[in-house]
Amino acid sequence: EPEVTQTPSHQVTQMGQEVILRCVPISNHLYFYWYRQILGQKVEFLVSFYNNEISEKSEIFDDQFSVERPDGSNFTLKIRSTKLEDSAMYFCASSFPRAGADNEQFFGPGTRLTVL
Amino acid sequence: EDQVTQSPEALRLQEGESSSLNCSYTVSGLRGLFWYRQDPGKGPEFLFTLYSAGEEKEKERLKATLTKKESFLHITAPKPEDSATYLCAADSNTGNQFYFGTGTSLTVIP
Repeated sequence: EPEVTQTPSHQVTQMGQEVILRCVPISNHLYFYWYRQILGQKVEFLVSFYNNEISEKSEIFDDQFSVERPDGSNFTLKIRSTKLEDSAMYFCASSFPRAGADNEQFFGPGTRLTVL
Repeated sequence: EDQVTQSPEALRLQEGESSSLNCSYTVSGLRGLFWYRQDPGKGPEFLFTLYSAGEEKEKERLKATLTKKESFLHITAPKPEDSATYLCAADSNTGNQFYFGTGTSLTVIP
């Protein structure tokens, strides 16, 4: 069964450092998403990506964040200068058409980011 | 302000004891209402999408319903393997994003 994969499973970094979280979406999917979940809090939408550009983003997704699809398989989230409050679980998801109308998003297992 | 609220925060049921989880939403321009299951340390797993009031969907012991203000996830005769956190999310065409609730943590006791 196809699945979304994410690497690494756990990333520890120092405050101010750049991190890149990697995701391999399901191969025939066209829409890609990043979410984060701070421990004990709700899942928060960050950004959606389609046709090599951002289609939607939330207020959380400020200039510190960027996304890229550098090749035909990977989808990355870069945080330029990490802050303590960026510590969270980051989930990647993908869908064939845009999620909705029975078009489900498939989530990856997440990357736990810890900023020290 | 668009938001999604779930209740209760936690629910303990005996095996076989049916119940309902609530998801209230205030989202203008609802494109879809999603239910997910999340097991500890894992990503959300899609269950249902509903996108018009009156719609119902079923899957095994779960049935989701939707009104103009809320959605219910009905669990009939739950089993211990149904224990998980159940999340709902609303897709808004005005905010152009997905809003998740904080989830209901369900524990089914054998």
